[in-house]
Amino acid sequence: QVQLQQWGAGVLKPSETLSLTCAVSGGSFSGHYWTWIRQPPGKGLEWIGEIDHSGSTNYNPSLKSRVTISVDTPKNQFSLKVTSVTAADTAVYYCARGEGLSHCFDYWGQGTLVTVSS
Amino acid sequence: QSALTQPASVSGSPGQSITMSCTGTSSDVGGFNYVSWYQHHPGKVPKLIIYDVNKWPSGVSHRFSGSKSGNTASLTISGLQAEDEGDYYCSSYTNKYTWVFGGGTKLTVL
Repeated sequence: QVQLQQWGAGVLKPSETLSLTCAVSGGSFSGHYWTWIRQPPGKGLEWIGEIDHSGSTNYNPSLKSRVTISVDTPKNQFSLKVTSVTAADTAVYYCARGEGLSHCFDYWGQGTLVTVSS
Repeated sequence: QSALTQPASVSGSPGQSITMSCTGTSSDVGGFNYVSWYQHHPGKVPKLIIYDVNKWPSGVSHRFSGSKSGNTASLTISGLQAEDEGDYYCSSYTNKYTWVFGGGTKLTVL
């Protein structure tokens, strides 16, 4: 059974860097797109970006200038960094597996609430 | 990229059927058969219920069904049950090698 376990700082001040990591267990790490998705309070889901096992990335154009997704394939982990955060980055952040053959997000991490406040 | 358009809310009584829409453009929904739907109960993790427009993941009830016409995808839930109440999101691949979600629809079971 595929499991995604994520962790990272939950409270940040404006201008700091958000950093989250997601560890994948069960299933193959290659052949999928490892994805970050967020949900601001009271709002819908927003796709942040994805990375494959080789490090190839795609990002949401609206966030691309501040976002970096990286991968540590030997550890079956991938990470998210968002620089210069503001209150607008307050959200529940999810890591998820992008299934290449079925074009969907089939496994999700438990979610991490990140609050940006001075 | 703009979010896909979903109605803010839909409602139905137990046993009834409801349909919710997800409207995009020819650059996303209309251009690919890569629409998926997610059920999200507050405080829980989103759950995949439909992928590739109309396919079911293992273990998902066939009371949920998906379809697409042009730039609009739809999710139908038949035989509404109380536990179906929650938020539903559509997602589509885009021609910019990105993914986009809809704003979400809140389903109320009356």
